[in-house]
Amino acid sequence: EVQLVESGGGLVQPGGSLRLSCAASGFTFSKYAMTWVRQAPGKGLQWVSSICAGDDNTHYADSVKGRFTISSDNSKNTLYLQMNSLRAEDTALYYCAKQSGGNCYSGVDSWGQGTLVTVSS
Amino acid sequence: DIVMTQSPDSLAVSLGERATINCKSSQSVLYSSNNKNYLAWYQQKPGQPPKLLIHWASTRESGVPDRFSGSGSGTDFTLTISSLQAEDVAVYYCQQYYSIPFTFGPGTKVDIK
Repeated sequence: EVQLVESGGGLVQPGGSLRLSCAASGFTFSKYAMTWVRQAPGKGLQWVSSICAGDDNTHYADSVKGRFTISSDNSKNTLYLQMNSLRAEDTALYYCAKQSGGNCYSGVDSWGQGTLVTVSS
Repeated sequence: DIVMTQSPDSLAVSLGERATINCKSSQSVLYSSNNKNYLAWYQQKPGQPPKLLIHWASTRESGVPDRFSGSGSGTDFTLTISSLQAEDVAVYYCQQYYSIPFTFGPGTKVDIK
């Protein structure tokens, strides 16, 4: 059974940094593209970033490009999202998600429960 | 960016009746080289993460009841719940994964009438 467990969320001041982690199990982590999707309170889903399997190619939403960095450690089966220069509009529940293939151009077939990031002074 | 729109914003359907949700993309998400539509449907119940229902526009994910079906091609897509059950109350999102950024529709809330 696929399990994705996020951690690292919390309250941070504007301009601060956080690193989210996602511990993955139940599948061969290195063979699948992985994604972060966020959901602001009471709002819809927003794709944030993806990392493709194999070539570790990465993609970002314009709203986070240059501030967020996605990475993965295949030896630890863990996905990360380093978030710098945080803004109030980054406040959201951040979901770690597994895509259905190694190619980034595939749907998301498994989701974690999410970790809440609140950016406020 | 590909903009995804959904209609209606919300709908209320009687138990056992059909629910239909539409999704439109601002440009085609059909990849001609493999004839696949890069379009997924997700269900999100209150307090839960989303769940994949349909990918490639019409391929039902394993374990998803067959009352859920997806159709359409190019820019116009439909999610149909053939016989609404109480457990289907949720928000439904479409998403294109044809081009970066992988955009979601705004969601359609489904309730029981």
